[in-house]
Amino acid sequence: DTGVSQDPRHKITKRGQNVTFRCDPISEHNRLYWYRQTLGQGPEFLTYFQNEAQLEKSRLLSDRFSAERPKGSFSTLEIQRTEQGDSAMYLCATPGQANTGELFFGEGSRLTVL
Amino acid sequence: GIQVEQSPPDLILQEGANSTLRCNFSDSVNNLQWFHQNPWGQLINLFYIPSGTKQNGRLSATTVATERYSLLYISSSQTTDSGVYFCASLSGSGTYKYIFGTGTRLKVLA
Repeated sequence: DTGVSQDPRHKITKRGQNVTFRCDPISEHNRLYWYRQTLGQGPEFLTYFQNEAQLEKSRLLSDRFSAERPKGSFSTLEIQRTEQGDSAMYLCATPGQANTGELFFGEGSRLTVL
Repeated sequence: GIQVEQSPPDLILQEGANSTLRCNFSDSVNNLQWFHQNPWGQLINLFYIPSGTKQNGRLSATTVATERYSLLYISSSQTTDSGVYFCASLSGSGTYKYIFGTGTRLKVLA
């Protein structure tokens, strides 16, 4: 148990539809990260939050992507007008309870866009 | 930002063999971590090792920050060690963004 829950685990959608992923850290952490991983690649940084504030966003995060962390606990990642290129695993991570900098990842949300 | 190169990209071992995986960084290493991604895609934190050496069972890791590299040693490999190994570092000072390498794909044969 990494202390990070992601939902849904799998999502299949048609091109043009909107999808939303949710990340729930079990314990409160001031930082929360979203990464994207495509087949055969390492995780790519999308964005991170410090409490409610979205402090950094990757250029990968086009206008169709938006992330929120409204109360500084759970976070959502929405993709609008999905494209086949959005098919990937979307990973959420938080630091450990000791807040030393170690990252702990959830099991990920796998998106398939048909 | 920092570039992370991992070697070898692929590795096949017979069960019981030892191996060394390497990460090279283009810039200063900060908060270096090693992860194992299992066949189900779960990323498991193996080591948080900004510098020095740590050991955990059959695995150990060494980071030489001044020379911008880190090594992960796997001894007496088992089939359950199969998967992809990633290293990651903060991309620079003043940021909490972690950059990952492209991974080493390890397959351990029984």
